[in-house]
Formats: sequence, structure tokens, C-alpha cells
Amino acid sequence: RKEVEQDPGPFNVPEGATVAFNCTYSNSASQSFFWYRQDCRKEPKLLMSVYSSGNEDGRFTAQLNRASQYISLLIRDSKLSDSATYLCVVKVGAGGTSYGKLTFGQGTILTVHP
Amino acid sequence: NAGVMQNPRHLVRRRGQEARLRCSPMKGHSHVYWYRQLPEEGLKFMVYLQKENIIDESGMPKERFSAEFPKEGPSILRIQQVVRGDSAAYFCASSPQLAAQETQYFGPGTRLLVL
Repeated sequence: RKEVEQDPGPFNVPEGATVAFNCTYSNSASQSFFWYRQDCRKEPKLLMSVYSSGNEDGRFTAQLNRASQYISLLIRDSKLSDSATYLCVVKVGAGGTSYGKLTFGQGTILTVHP
Repeated sequence: NAGVMQNPRHLVRRRGQEARLRCSPMKGHSHVYWYRQLPEEGLKFMVYLQKENIIDESGMPKERFSAEFPKEGPSILRIQQVVRGDSAAYFCASSPQLAAQETQYFGPGTRLLVL
């Protein structure tokens, strides 16, 4: 089983649509959670951290369910510029040498069309 | 404040040659991480270094790959005797300190093509 699993998509949605991405992780010692976006042939860029209480940044809302080991990202009012691959990212916080390592899901491809 | 710098951006090597990838972290960052992205796959952790120390190399192949982060100068990822399967995008990331929510900032990557 992969450490971080995402639905690879692709998701094709019209502008203005609401789209939701899901992610599950297998390591219960995971402590920090993030969503990154990656544009074609570019580096990953942090979209937002995910906190236990859930958090929102403009059109983006992230949720975390530690009991189910599940993370979600909701994008409202999709824009053409939201087209990218969205990466679910987990960091294990058990201390020691595993503390710095990010574990990436394979990514979910989103295409927003006019 | 310049971001994470990587060079070269593109590197072409023939099988059996050596590849050297360089990474200069953001100013003030002392933690460097290398990740590899194979075609059509997600990013995979390779190695985590602090100045002059390898902290975690659990993701790095045991043979042909090595990494260093000297006291002065950039971090280097070295691949000896490259094979076609080494063709990938290699990303470097840096962070100012080690903490649960500390963001890692990624460089633009080096795309290695082995002919």
C-alpha cells in the first residue's frame, strides 16, 4: 500500500465549479500535512498547510481527519489558473531522522476549462 | 531574497558518465533535501542534509548515488555511471530549521536525460 494515496484524476471542470480532492495516508505517526500544487514541468509550490481544525485560504479549504487518516482539499469557484497537479503531502513527526522527510502522493490532475 | 537555486536546469549524459547536480538553498536555510520525480510518478525523497552532515539518506539508492553539503558552497548530488533509469527531474528543497510545520521551499529542478 502506498504511504499517501490520491485519486489521480484527471478532473475536468468548468470555470466556477467546485471540486474536491481526497487523500489518505497510511502512517499513523504522520504529524504534518500539506497541499502543494505543481504546474507542468515546474517545481512543487506550497498551497496550504492542513491543520486539525480545518483551515481556509480564500477559495481553498483543507480538512484533516486523523481518525480516518484522511485529508481533503476543496476548491470553490474554479479559475482557469487553478489548472495544475495537486499534491497531498505528509510529514512524519516521530522525531529522529524521519522528521524532515516529505512523503508525496502521486498527485491529482485538475483541468479547468472555459 | 533569492529562492532555492539549482543548476544546471537541464543535463544530458550518456550511459556510464557522471552527473553532478547543484543546489544553493535560500539564504539563511541550513537544511537541504533532495527529491526525485521519475516520469509520470510522484516525488520521492532521497536524502536530507545539514551543513557537512548527512542526516537521512534512506531514500537514496545504495550504489552510484552520493550527496554532500559542504561548509562552503552548494549541496551536490552526484550520480556515477548513469543509466537510462536515472532520467528524471531532481528537485532540491530547503528550510530554515527542522520543525513540524516548517515549509520546504523547492528549487526549479534539474532535468537529467540519460541517452
